[in-house]
Amino acid sequence: NAGVTQTPKFQVLKTGQSMTLQCAQDMNHEYMSWYRQDPGMGLRLIHYSVGAGITDQGEVPNGYNVSRSTTEDFPLRLLSAAPSQTSVYFCASSRDRGKTGELFFGEGSRLTVL
Amino acid sequence: GDSVTQMEGPVTLSEEAFLTINCTYTATGYPSLFWYVQYPGEGLQLLLKATKADDKGSNKGFEATYRKETTSFHLEKGSVQVSDSAVYFCAPNAGGTSYGKLTFGQGTILTVHP
Repeated sequence: NAGVTQTPKFQVLKTGQSMTLQCAQDMNHEYMSWYRQDPGMGLRLIHYSVGAGITDQGEVPNGYNVSRSTTEDFPLRLLSAAPSQTSVYFCASSRDRGKTGELFFGEGSRLTVL
Repeated sequence: GDSVTQMEGPVTLSEEAFLTINCTYTATGYPSLFWYVQYPGEGLQLLLKATKADDKGSNKGFEATYRKETTSFHLEKGSVQVSDSAVYFCAPNAGGTSYGKLTFGQGTILTVHP
């Protein structure tokens, strides 16, 4: 079972560059979300989606865009990368529009912005 | 908003020692409570959960009891193993419109030595 797949696993960017972190799940989950993990700060929610065509902001949305054109995919776009966006990014999905609170996580994407 | 306070780490134990990681939370309503675990180089995965007061969640020898009166959900294991070395996250899920928007603690690093 593939579960939640994130690509790339590692990426180095220069300040001002743009890129997209890909996330795909094969569990037919309605709910998908993006978190960033920084030392000593746990995980913070960036954006989330409760279904195709529906997205909303989380705790730290500035500098990031998302879209949800299909149930399976939930890409995260960095429009103009900044060093403050150096972090490990996790995509997570859940059934029942997230009501259960049981999230399935990808393995993470480590991003460094120089 | 919701918040969670976890015991600060890192925690270092010898194999077969008793483990307690404290977690207290503030949340509106009656949240479900979760412990997630992150093994080195991996994404988070659900360890155990409890959905109402006095419920005990358990998995892989770990236990946690939902204590509504003290708003706590402490994680315990009677005899830890080297393979339990990981980062542990406590997370309440308040439900309502917050479905799926877990609030994670900062994480507690556990290292178990042989």
